[in-house]
Amino acid sequence: AQKITQTQPGMFVQEKEAVTLDCTYDTSDPSYGLFWYKQPSSGEMIFLIYQGSYDQQNATEGRYSLNFQKARKSANLVISASQLGDSAMYFCAMREHMEYGNKLVFGAGTILRVKS
Amino acid sequence: NAGVTQTPKFRILKIGQSMTLQCTQDMNHNYMYWYRQDPGMGLKLIYYSVGAGITDKGEVPNGYNVSRSTTEDFPLRLELAAPSQTSVYFCASSYSGLAGGLDTQYFGPGTRLTVL
Repeated sequence: AQKITQTQPGMFVQEKEAVTLDCTYDTSDPSYGLFWYKQPSSGEMIFLIYQGSYDQQNATEGRYSLNFQKARKSANLVISASQLGDSAMYFCAMREHMEYGNKLVFGAGTILRVKS
Repeated sequence: NAGVTQTPKFRILKIGQSMTLQCTQDMNHNYMYWYRQDPGMGLKLIYYSVGAGITDKGEVPNGYNVSRSTTEDFPLRLELAAPSQTSVYFCASSYSGLAGGLDTQYFGPGTRLTVL
């Protein structure tokens, strides 16, 4: 069963506008963490933001915020005031327990293109 | 502080050849991971390690081997390369159990491997 679902293969946004990238997850573990990573065309993976399942407030990091709706099992990434440099692939990931520790399970990603 | 480094950046192999992908981190992280990313897809875990001498399989371990003799190094060995192993390979490290914030996964720049 798919643990992380990103339903938007690709998105366009006008420069300076806000955009929301969707992420839904599935877990029976009451303690979990959700991460967003950015992968520009150069290929590296850049950590953006983290939300813990017990965090009382939605996470924010500069222009990035996470719209965390626990009951709906969604953790959407909101990018405010989009910039051309935001054009990239964005991955949602969830921490999952393994025998010897934890790992990240990634969604398929959403390609974001910012138009000038 | 170089973070996570990987060599080589690019490699072309013939079917049946073997090679080792190198990964080194200088952050004194306990956990290290190997992922592969197929075109247009998210990352899938190949192997991981929670410390020197301790490794375990991820989702897609077939055709690969790992070892971890030091905290810093986590090489990935491909034996008898096959076209299905054409992919981008990422090494990552984390301090501990991915509790978020600074305790996230830090990725290397990736190795693009083509098997012909």
